[in-house]
Amino acid sequence: ELKVEQNPLFLSMQEGKNYTIYCNYSTTSDRLYWYRQDPGKSLESLFVLLSNGAVKQEGRLMASLDTKARLSTLHITAAVHDLSATYFCAVDDGGATNKLIFGTGTLLAVQP
Amino acid sequence: NAGVTQTPKFQVLKTGQSMTLQCAQDMNHEYMSWYRQDPGMGLRLIHYSVGAGITDQGEVPNGYNVSRSTTEDFPLRLLSAAPSQTSVYFCASSFFGLGTRDEQFFGPGTRLTVL
Repeated sequence: ELKVEQNPLFLSMQEGKNYTIYCNYSTTSDRLYWYRQDPGKSLESLFVLLSNGAVKQEGRLMASLDTKARLSTLHITAAVHDLSATYFCAVDDGGATNKLIFGTGTLLAVQP
Repeated sequence: NAGVTQTPKFQVLKTGQSMTLQCAQDMNHEYMSWYRQDPGMGLRLIHYSVGAGITDQGEVPNGYNVSRSTTEDFPLRLLSAAPSQTSVYFCASSFFGLGTRDEQFFGPGTRLTVL
């Protein structure tokens, strides 16, 4: 059974600082997704990582995937208040379907 | 292109009542799914469908039924609501199959309270 763990669960950081959110998963998968959710809103797709070694960047966020270590990271560079949100990773369960197993999320609060 | 739409946005039910949460997409996606989101537990898959006439169970299917008669619609039915079903429900859709860009698009959610 695929399990997905994120850490930390809560992250308070100052503007301008760098930090990394980690996503570990328990069984083999080649597809991993990062989503952002603002309070009371739906999920917004940030990154789709489809192969080992995949790295994608958008603005101050960069995501990477290491399928051998079963680890993805979401790196935040020079955080700004607008990045405050909950970030989820989700892993494809590896079967012939699009079933996603989500991590519990990381609540990011960027303080001025 | 409306994307994924859900109705209603909010609903309050009494224990034992039934209701249907509606989900529709206009992107011709084969794959559709329902998730529930509870505090501290992320999103959990309830049911999913890989095409019209094909549905299957996810992680937490008990208490919910689905059907998929068209590509566009994927309603979720609660037959006898229980307080444990108080949650936010999200519908999602995507293209299906290896080699496709199978990014899932989420609807705005339905916030359900069962008293």
